Amino acid sequence: DQQVKQNSPSLSVQEGRISILNCDYTNSMFDYFLWYKKYPAEGPTFLISISSIKDKNEDGRFTVFLNKSAKHLSLHIVPSQPGDSAVYFCAATPVGTPLVFGKGTRLSVIA
Amino acid sequence: DVKVTQSSRYLVKRTGEKVFLECVQDMDHENMFWYRQDPGLGLRLIYFSYDVKMKEKGDIPEGYSVSREKKERFSLILESASTNQTSMYLCASSGAGGETQYFGPGTRLLVL
Repeated sequence: DQQVKQNSPSLSVQEGRISILNCDYTNSMFDYFLWYKKYPAEGPTFLISISSIKDKNEDGRFTVFLNKSAKHLSLHIVPSQPGDSAVYFCAATPVGTPLVFGKGTRLSVIA
Repeated sequence: DVKVTQSSRYLVKRTGEKVFLECVQDMDHENMFWYRQDPGLGLRLIYFSYDVKMKEKGDIPEGYSVSREKKERFSLILESASTNQTSMYLCASSGAGGETQYFGPGTRLLVL
């Protein structure tokens, strides 16, 4: 029973364009959401987060959108750069319990 | 900056060996976690700990045990390594009430 789903295993985007990574969740108790970025042979790096009281959070080129009614969140990267090529994991939690991770989406940014 | 270190980046062991993976964090975090990452399966939680000498089972604890004798150190033990435990092992930590977990660089374990 997957509570956090990233339905696209991979995504290719041209350099300079927008990358949109999507994540769906099923547990209505989730109230905090995070995105992590992972390069091969390295640990995941925290990217950006959002709590359920917000619907948008921005940090530089990265914006996370949360649609609670649809139980959907997305990560927008604008503009995409070759260094953004990595696996992106979505994670969620009801505060106070461990994170639940999706299976990841591999982003390839083509120069 | 939060720093989480893991004792080895790469490890090769034989079936049946006892394997110790060590994790140390330097931010005085209360919470520590062990995950394994496998292609197509994402990150799966093995064990976690909210305090010294405390441990909780995650989603896939079978074949593993943990030890947390000091706040900064969380060890993962494979009592008798098997080939299906070949994987990337990731340690993470977070502060009390903090949801953001910070990860170490990972240990790639190969069991022959």
